[in-house]
Amino acid sequence: ETGVTQTPRHLVMGMTNKKSLKCEQHLGHNAMYWYKQSAKKPLELMFVYNFKEQTENNSVPSRFSPECPNSSHLFLHLHTLQPEDSALYLCASSQEGRYTFGSGTRLTVV
Amino acid sequence: TQLLEQSPQFLSIQEGENLTVYCNSSSVFSSLQWYRQEPGEGPVLLVTVVTGGEVKKLKRLTFQFGDARKDSSLHITAAQPGDTGLYLCAPRFMRFGAGTRLTVKP
Repeated sequence: ETGVTQTPRHLVMGMTNKKSLKCEQHLGHNAMYWYKQSAKKPLELMFVYNFKEQTENNSVPSRFSPECPNSSHLFLHLHTLQPEDSALYLCASSQEGRYTFGSGTRLTVV
Repeated sequence: TQLLEQSPQFLSIQEGENLTVYCNSSSVFSSLQWYRQEPGEGPVLLVTVVTGGEVKKLKRLTFQFGDARKDSSLHITAAQPGDTGLYLCAPRFMRFGAGTRLTVKP
């Protein structure tokens, strides 16, 4: 248990499906992040939220839609994805320079 | 544009050997963090270095921040199979290097 919980751990979806990834932290952190990790690229920062407000969108395609209803929960809504979107999606939270990652959701788009 | 360069990209050694991996940049950082990631898991923070020239030790792991705060190294003494993983460095704003994938064979 890392303090940051991601569900589901594994997800297989078709290109026409709509699904959501969930991230939850009860560490009292005020910042949350989505990262994408694929086999051939470094860990890529996707979105940053501070106190529920999106402070960074790293040129992510609109088929990825984040939502942060409160400082403990972060979602990533997925629709009409492409096979190249298959990757490990990691959530992290931080406060005062201390970062904690979840175990990730392994997404496969078929 | 990749902010950080990590080397080597892959490293495979025998148990008991020593090794050093590097994290380099042309930018100056206020701080740098090292993480280890095991297969199927998220990265776990190992250490944060803040001061130029700083050395921090975590059991058999020694981390050094360059005097100019543009580079850092991680030295592992007497590596063990449990050290196997992807070692990542990242500056304060969480843009990671590609990592060094370390395999320690028993």
